[in-house]
Amino acid sequence: DAMVIQNPRYQVTQFGKPVTLSCSQTLNHNVMYWYQQKSSQAPKLLFHYYDKDFNNEADTPDNFQSRRPNTSFCFLDIRSPGLGDAAMYLCATSRGPLDGETQYFGPGTRLLVL
Amino acid sequence: SQQGEEDPQALSIQEGENATMNCSYKTSINNLQWYRQNSGRGLVHLILIRSNEREKHSGRLRVTLDTSKKSSSLLITASRAADTASYFCATPGGDKIIFGKGTRLHILP
Repeated sequence: DAMVIQNPRYQVTQFGKPVTLSCSQTLNHNVMYWYQQKSSQAPKLLFHYYDKDFNNEADTPDNFQSRRPNTSFCFLDIRSPGLGDAAMYLCATSRGPLDGETQYFGPGTRLLVL
Repeated sequence: SQQGEEDPQALSIQEGENATMNCSYKTSINNLQWYRQNSGRGLVHLILIRSNEREKHSGRLRVTLDTSKKSSSLLITASRAADTASYFCATPGGDKIIFGKGTRLHILP
């Protein structure tokens, strides 16, 4: 089945130790998104790629970076995780960046920062 | 901000009852989506309703859209334990969608 896969599902890191979360998709969608979601809150968009074009949200901290080496894969790098970065990180895809295009989500990676 | 606001924030009902949650938004939109999120999981798209549609059905789900009131409702009929989840409305925001804060629905046995 076509899907969005995130690895790992749970990630524990130490304060200040870089961590990379990965996302892959078999949907062949053009757009990939990274969201941060804290407990009982709405998903917050960090950035998205339309093909290779990178779009950063204005309030995404510099501590967060992303790479998309090809259509199928996208990575979220957190250079120096702080306690406030503990959250669920959701990857999503859509066919295009059109207004209100349906998004398909992976199961998420829960990040714990010690 | 275009972020929709769901109401109520939390809802508990008995299994078999109907659940209604509402979403209000501020600016004109051409469509609105509803998503479900089970605890600790990703979001799942439920339904998209366009601005020229007043009502849409999908199985036990019924969504309405009132563009004059800038509001939408999601009705889940004959609720089941598996419907326990958070429900988010999402409105377009340029090349992305913006999620509301969600309604946490709990179905009691």
